[in-house]
Amino acid sequence: DAKTTQPPSMDCAEGRAANLPCNHSTISGNEYVYWYRQIHSQGPQYIIHGLKNNETNEMASLIITEDRKSSTLILPHATLRDTAVYYCIVAIGGATNKLIFGTGTLLAVQP
Amino acid sequence: GAGVSQTPSNKVTEKGKYVELRCDPISGHTALYWYRQSLGQGPEFLIYFQGTGAADDSGLPNDRFFAVRPEGSVSTLKIQRTERGDSAVYLCASSLPVLGSQFFGPGTRLTVL
Repeated sequence: DAKTTQPPSMDCAEGRAANLPCNHSTISGNEYVYWYRQIHSQGPQYIIHGLKNNETNEMASLIITEDRKSSTLILPHATLRDTAVYYCIVAIGGATNKLIFGTGTLLAVQP
Repeated sequence: GAGVSQTPSNKVTEKGKYVELRCDPISGHTALYWYRQSLGQGPEFLIYFQGTGAADDSGLPNDRFFAVRPEGSVSTLKIQRTERGDSAVYLCASSLPVLGSQFFGPGTRLTVL
């Protein structure tokens, strides 16, 4: 079973920030938080991951609470091409991590 | 190529037939994963290779499913005596040994009639 809880769907206006929440209250000390997204009919795409510090890359920012029980993925300026299912996954870091996907959040960016 | 490739993109077969699905990982990626995704669900882990060996095959649903990676690069997922319930998109991913963010292929859509 997935170790994360996400809302099934969210809407966001184009050009605005999209904030996607994730609860992972049972996360272990050696588990990272990963975010992937899946655009319709494509394979999942890696977005970002973090352990306990906030992270930022060219795609998004990841904010992890101090107790690590929840996190938020932020897309700073959502575009129509960001419409996708976003998956929050906790996994041990490194190449041995099999990813356990839940059902994710369907983000619909509206024009 | 630049990314993970999978062939065929679509496969239609009849119940009871044997199928092979191929995955070409990103060059230099030693880790390779197979997942399958049913409609409306997230991907489900099947098997993980590190090099030529299957390091974790705990997700294979039964002994009709088998995967190989004989030279540590290309992998083949083999399904014997296919059943209608095997219909799904089969996804392959690869990663480097460190900081294993996985790179996924476009998938093979398998339909068992």
